Amino acid sequence: EVQLVESGGGLVQPGGSLRLSCAASGFTFSTNDMHWVRQATGKGLEWVSGIGRGGNTYYQASVRGRFTISRENARKSLYLQMYSLRAEDTAVYYCVKVGPRGGFDYWGQGILVTVSS
Amino acid sequence: SYVLTQPLSVSVAPGQTAKITCGGNKIGSKSVYWYQQKPGQAPVVVVSEDSDRPSGIRERFSGSTSGDTATLTISRVEGGDEADYYCQVWDSVSYHVVFGGGTKLTVL
Repeated sequence: EVQLVESGGGLVQPGGSLRLSCAASGFTFSTNDMHWVRQATGKGLEWVSGIGRGGNTYYQASVRGRFTISRENARKSLYLQMYSLRAEDTAVYYCVKVGPRGGFDYWGQGILVTVSS
Repeated sequence: SYVLTQPLSVSVAPGQTAKITCGGNKIGSKSVYWYQQKPGQAPVVVVSEDSDRPSGIRERFSGSTSGDTATLTISRVEGGDEADYYCQVWDSVSYHVVFGGGTKLTVL
């Protein structure tokens, strides 16, 4: 059974940093592209960042230069290091797996990040 | 940047057919994915690559694309279909993932 379990969320002050982790199981992590998608309360889905199986990284414009996505295949883990956090970064962050047909076939349960003083 | 446009809401009576549209420039040339999200839950993909149903998704869900519009069709709508629905594409130029704004399906 595929499982994606996020951790590391919480309350952080504006300008602060936070590192999200996603522990993957039930599939061959190293051969799959992985992404982070977020959703502010009452709002729609917003793509944040992605990393290919080869390590290529991609970012939404509003987080480029502030967020860093990475992966550790040996640990079957995905990370999102977030710096210079802003109030508008407040959201539930989902770790997602890219399926063989290109869409997001598995999602974690989500982890809440709140940026507030 | 590439933009996908969805209606904010669609309402349909039980047993009828719901059509949710997703507009984007030449979307017919892209692979479109549709997700269902119920309150408090993570999204679930219901249609992949325009019209394929993932394993476990009921035949009542189908997708199509033509020109600048993709459509998710839900036949014989049930109360359990009430949810938010999002379309998504890959922008191959920038390798950015793009979501539509989402459509709230209400079953009357």
